[in-house]
Amino acid sequence: ETGVTQTPRHLVMGMTNKKSLKCEQHLGHNAMYWYKQSAKKPLELMFVYNFKEQTENNSVPSRFSPECPNSSHLFLHLHTLQPEDSALYLCASSQDLAGNYGYTFGSGTRLTVV
Amino acid sequence: AQSVTQLGSHVSVSEGALVLLRCNYSSSVPPYLFWYVQYPNQGLQLLLKYTSAATLVKGINGFEAEFKKSETSFHLTKPSAHMSDAAEYFCAVSDQNSGYALNFGKGTSLLVTP
Repeated sequence: ETGVTQTPRHLVMGMTNKKSLKCEQHLGHNAMYWYKQSAKKPLELMFVYNFKEQTENNSVPSRFSPECPNSSHLFLHLHTLQPEDSALYLCASSQDLAGNYGYTFGSGTRLTVV
Repeated sequence: AQSVTQLGSHVSVSEGALVLLRCNYSSSVPPYLFWYVQYPNQGLQLLLKYTSAATLVKGINGFEAEFKKSETSFHLTKPSAHMSDAAEYFCAVSDQNSGYALNFGKGTSLLVTP
């Protein structure tokens, strides 16, 4: 167990479905992140939250909608996705945004859009 | 803008041989540098980090990396490879100009042969 828990581990959804990914950390960290990992591409930063406030949206399409109700929980709401959105979605947390601590990652949600 | 280049998307070594995974970065300000490892169907685990202290950094599982400013490099080494080292390895950089968000390389897949 890494300290960052992501559910579900696997998700298959149709293009018209609405689903949500959940991330939870009890490390006392204040910053949380969503990354997308696709085959043959570098990890792509999607969103950054610090103390529940969104500090970065990396030009992510509106069909991805993040929510951070508190510093321990982060959600990614999905609707009308495309097949090219199939990927491993990784959540991470860090002590703060100072950058010198590194991130703690969850095990990811493997998303398949059909 | 900062960037990370990992030379060689695939590296193969024999069990017991030296492991060398290459990482070069570009950053106009002092960087923080990280190596992460990813095993199949898992998230990323921090191996080691450089945050402006000692230039030779020791990490978990016998890995170490040396920060060389003159060469803008942060190569990862291990004296003797084990079968269990087979995984995907990612180099990452962050700095003040990027808001300290981690920017990852494309990864290097390490294969260890008997």
